[in-house]
Amino acid sequence: AQKITQTQPGMFVQEKEAVTLDCTYDTSDQSYGLFWYKQPSSGEMIFLIYQGSYDEQNATEGRYSLNFQKARKSANLVISASQLGDSAMYFCAMREGLGYGNKLVFGAGTILRVKS
Amino acid sequence: GAVVSQHPSRVICKSGTSVKIECRSLDFQATTMFWYRQFPKQSLMLMATSNEGSKATYEQGVEKDKFLINHASLTLSTLTVTSAHPEDSSFYICSAELTGYSGANVLTFGAGSRLTVL
Repeated sequence: AQKITQTQPGMFVQEKEAVTLDCTYDTSDQSYGLFWYKQPSSGEMIFLIYQGSYDEQNATEGRYSLNFQKARKSANLVISASQLGDSAMYFCAMREGLGYGNKLVFGAGTILRVKS
Repeated sequence: GAVVSQHPSRVICKSGTSVKIECRSLDFQATTMFWYRQFPKQSLMLMATSNEGSKATYEQGVEKDKFLINHASLTLSTLTVTSAHPEDSSFYICSAELTGYSGANVLTFGAGSRLTVL
């Protein structure tokens, strides 16, 4: 079964507008972490934002915010004021448990294109 | 911040040869490193978990004799693609676990290695 589901293969957004990238996850663990990464065409993985399962507040990092709805098991990424440089592949990922050696599992990704 | 150096960034080899990719933690010790493989426009698929001083743990469907992983020190893990074939052409990325950290800071990624097998 898929642990991380990203249902949007591709998204377009107008420059300066906000966009939401969807992510749902599946776990029976109480302790887990949710990550979003940006991967430009160069291939490097750029960490954007993190939400721990026990965090009560939604995470925010600059123009990035994570809409965490625990009961629905969703962790959508919101990018405000989109910029042309935001065009990239975006991955949602989950790490179950808090111990060491736990693997990070990725969703299929969403390609975001920002239009001028 | 924690930096992981991955080398080479690009490699082209002939079919049948072996290729070694290095993943090195520059300013921290990494007991655990992870190796991923990524095909164009697809997700990162975990290949194996590399533990310093012990055998790697491979994910289901990954040939351990094909993809040899060695984690001989706390700062270096290597992935060797043996007898490479064109279907092994892919983007390989490593990530290292920062011992003593948790949450967002627990993992850091290398820049990736693009392997092309002719």
